[in-house]
Amino acid sequence: SQELEQSPQSLIVQEGKNLTINCTSSKTLYGLYWYKQKYGEGLIFLMMLQKGGEEKSHEKITAKLDEKKQQSSLHITASQPSHAGIYLCGADEGSARQLTFGSGTQLTVLP
Amino acid sequence: DAGITQSPRHKVTETGTPVTLRCHQTENHRYMYWYRQDPGHGLRLIHYSYGVKDTDKGEVSDGYSVSRSKTEDFLLTLESATSSQTSVYFCAISAAGATTELEAFFGQGTRLTVV
Repeated sequence: SQELEQSPQSLIVQEGKNLTINCTSSKTLYGLYWYKQKYGEGLIFLMMLQKGGEEKSHEKITAKLDEKKQQSSLHITASQPSHAGIYLCGADEGSARQLTFGSGTQLTVLP
Repeated sequence: DAGITQSPRHKVTETGTPVTLRCHQTENHRYMYWYRQDPGHGLRLIHYSYGVKDTDKGEVSDGYSVSRSKTEDFLLTLESATSSQTSVYFCAISAAGATTELEAFFGQGTRLTVV
């Protein structure tokens, strides 16, 4: 099975600052997913990327998948306290439909 | 919100006792997954199912078994609970299809404590 590495493991930013979270795979990805989790709650789907070079945005969050489909980044513009939580990238190899996840990035946004 | 319900939401059990967690969906999705979440490890796949009576192991399947006798229910059983199985367990569901977005919907989680 593939391994997904996320960086950084934790991030503390001042409100209004931009930030980037990275997710790297050892294998070519069929699909790359970004989820957000608030403490003690389930995961909320943010975006899914499937094509090399693809970029999607939702409100102030933009996710990109590189051309080789092995690395993705999640960028938050002008962060707000509501963005705080754990961000997880997940990947699907396509063949077995196993969804595996990175270890997560804990984001804290200071008001 | 996707129709996915986990039960119980919280459970405390003693070492050596069997425990069953239930995941119930109303979406008729083909795929169902059980994950555990621990600090520093993110979400780790325990078992998953790709249809009724079709299941396979994930990366941390030791000590766990699953069953899926109906599309809507996916049960996770700890045959003899150990303290290392104290964790938060999440169920997820997703639709099948090679060309569709494999968005997975997650339950709210079950916090299991083994004492």
